[in-house]
Amino acid sequence: AQSVAQPEDQVNVAEGNPLTVKCTYSVSGNPYLFWYVQYPNRGLQFLLKYITGDNLVKGSYGFEAEFNKSQTSFHLKKPSALVSDSALYFCAVTLSGGYQKVTFGTGTKLQVIP
Amino acid sequence: DVKVTQSSRYLVKRTGEKVFLECVQDMDHENMFWYRQDPGLGLRLIYFSYDVKMKEKGDIPEGYSVSREKKERFSLILESASTNQTSMYLCASSLGQGRNQPQHFGDGTRLSIL
Repeated sequence: AQSVAQPEDQVNVAEGNPLTVKCTYSVSGNPYLFWYVQYPNRGLQFLLKYITGDNLVKGSYGFEAEFNKSQTSFHLKKPSALVSDSALYFCAVTLSGGYQKVTFGTGTKLQVIP
Repeated sequence: DVKVTQSSRYLVKRTGEKVFLECVQDMDHENMFWYRQDPGLGLRLIYFSYDVKMKEKGDIPEGYSVSREKKERFSLILESASTNQTSMYLCASSLGQGRNQPQHFGDGTRLSIL
């Protein structure tokens, strides 16, 4: 079975400061990992993914994520937070075998304080 | 850009009614998904489909069924609506059977069962 944990329900950060949203995963094999963002009353939007290769993945809106196999983590980062980054962030994992079934985390609310 | 359209943003139905939620995508994607989103629980997969007339149960299929008669359309059916099915429902689509393709989401249907 595969699972994703987002240990923080909410993260608060001051505008201009770096931000990190944490994600750990559990799979039996090599994972494909994703980050999505959800703004109020909207569906999820894809930010970035890790498939293979470079452990540092760059995505939309200046976000990046670091894949760490030994710690089974895929933390989302941004060097300088904007108020407009305030949203709900979801980490997701999928695995080899069968058709594409993705497991999502419970989400982390990011609040960027002006 | 991929567009996933859900027929209703808000829907109010009564207990025992048969409810239809419709989803259409315009990018010829093979895979389509139905999730429900509840606070603290993240996204939970109800059903998915990887081809016309094909369907697979997700993690919480009880009380739901689906229909995919055309590639672009994926319908979720609540056979006899109950109050515990009050939730936000999200439809998504993705390209091919590749596990590394991101999902594209609609803006959701907020369903209330009275």
